[in-house]
Amino acid sequence: DAGITQSPRYKITETGRQVTLMCHQTWSHSYMFWYRQDLGHGLRLIYYSAAADITDKGEVPDGYVVSRSKTENFPLTLESATRSQTSVYFCASSERGSSSYEQYFGPGTRLTVT
Amino acid sequence: QKEVEQNSGPLSVPEGAIASLNCTYSDRGSQSFFWYRQYSGKSPELIMFIYSNGDKEDGRFTAQLNKASQYVSLLIRDSQPSDSATYLCAADSGGYNKLIFGAGTRLAVHP
Repeated sequence: DAGITQSPRYKITETGRQVTLMCHQTWSHSYMFWYRQDLGHGLRLIYYSAAADITDKGEVPDGYVVSRSKTENFPLTLESATRSQTSVYFCASSERGSSSYEQYFGPGTRLTVT
Repeated sequence: QKEVEQNSGPLSVPEGAIASLNCTYSDRGSQSFFWYRQYSGKSPELIMFIYSNGDKEDGRFTAQLNKASQYVSLLIRDSQPSDSATYLCAADSGGYNKLIFGAGTRLAVHP
């Protein structure tokens, strides 16, 4: 399927477990982003990537790890999940050199940490 | 701390009226501004972007930008119940196509 996909769509896990959220895009966009969305906070940037093997921290990176070995994939790992990481996670992508910086979002993953 | 501020709402308007959504931003270096619509339980979808002072129209939507006042607005004419959603304002920040998002304004259009 063309576009940007995320898996799983829903996940329930226990405190302390490692969880990986997957993001895949078929546009070959250079830039990819991970956000979390919580009530009252809007979208907050966790990590971003400018290209394969180039990643950097966003606003709220603590407790998360990312990698990007291939342009199309950008997995997000919660090393030891905490209840405060219960949230909806969105992946997005954007094309380098676009004059307008627009980002395109995946469908989201709803994560619950018990 | 760079910020984008929006009134959380809800903004309630009758069907057929004009809905006016506003946002302010703190980073004077921001050049591009975006309005995303997000239905409940769905992902944000881009509806407008603007980077020049003044107005930009697309169908029933008009985005307005005033860089001197650091103010962005979105007008929705002939509002429909299907426009009921949360509207997120965003501004570019720090290169790499990064955006800062406001917390969103919930719009409710009632018949």
